[in-house]
Amino acid sequence: AQSVTQLGSHVSVSEGALVLLRCNYSSSVPPYLFWYVQYPNQGLQLLLKYTTGATLVKGINGFEAEFKKSETSFHLTKPSAHMSDAAEYFCAVSDLRGSSASKIIFGSGTRLSIRP
Amino acid sequence: EPEVTQTPSHQVTQMGQEVILRCVPISNHLYFYWYRQILGQKVEFLVSFYNNEISEKSEIFDDQFSVERPDGSNFTLKIRSTKLEDSAMYFCASSYTASSGNTIYFGEGSWLTVV
Repeated sequence: AQSVTQLGSHVSVSEGALVLLRCNYSSSVPPYLFWYVQYPNQGLQLLLKYTTGATLVKGINGFEAEFKKSETSFHLTKPSAHMSDAAEYFCAVSDLRGSSASKIIFGSGTRLSIRP
Repeated sequence: EPEVTQTPSHQVTQMGQEVILRCVPISNHLYFYWYRQILGQKVEFLVSFYNNEISEKSEIFDDQFSVERPDGSNFTLKIRSTKLEDSAMYFCASSYTASSGNTIYFGEGSWLTVV
């Protein structure tokens, strides 16, 4: 079965600094990978996704992620953090089992804090 | 931009009471889902629904839970007799296709507090 592991439940960076949120996946087949963001008291919003093709995926709000098969990783980065980036970030993988409606399997989440 | 809407945003209920959480998926979507997130924990899949029947359900989705699409627009999650451990944020989601890699759109969630 597919799964994702997020390294670090809490990451704190200074405003303007690089953001790096780590995600490793486990999958017996080529995975489809996602990053979702949850702002305080809000729902889950898709940041970006990787399905096929280019391994560097650009998302909203200046975020991007790179699919690295050799490292089974899909880390999320942003060159310069903004105060508004403070949120919970979830890495996720699409479950490819059977013919059911594909579902998303989420990691445990990483809370990103931004220091002024 | 079309969105998934959920009501209520927050509900407090007594243990043993029945709760119905409502969702209006995006209008041309065909696949519907419920997820839940217990405070401080990961978002967990509960159930998927297509063509008026459950496609898949997790072990969490026991006989206490049921889903239906009563009128072609709403998609509901019913918890028959709530327990304290049912306290969580419940997310409704929808997608147009079922193919892996398709985007699943989530609502803003319904906070359920069981006291």
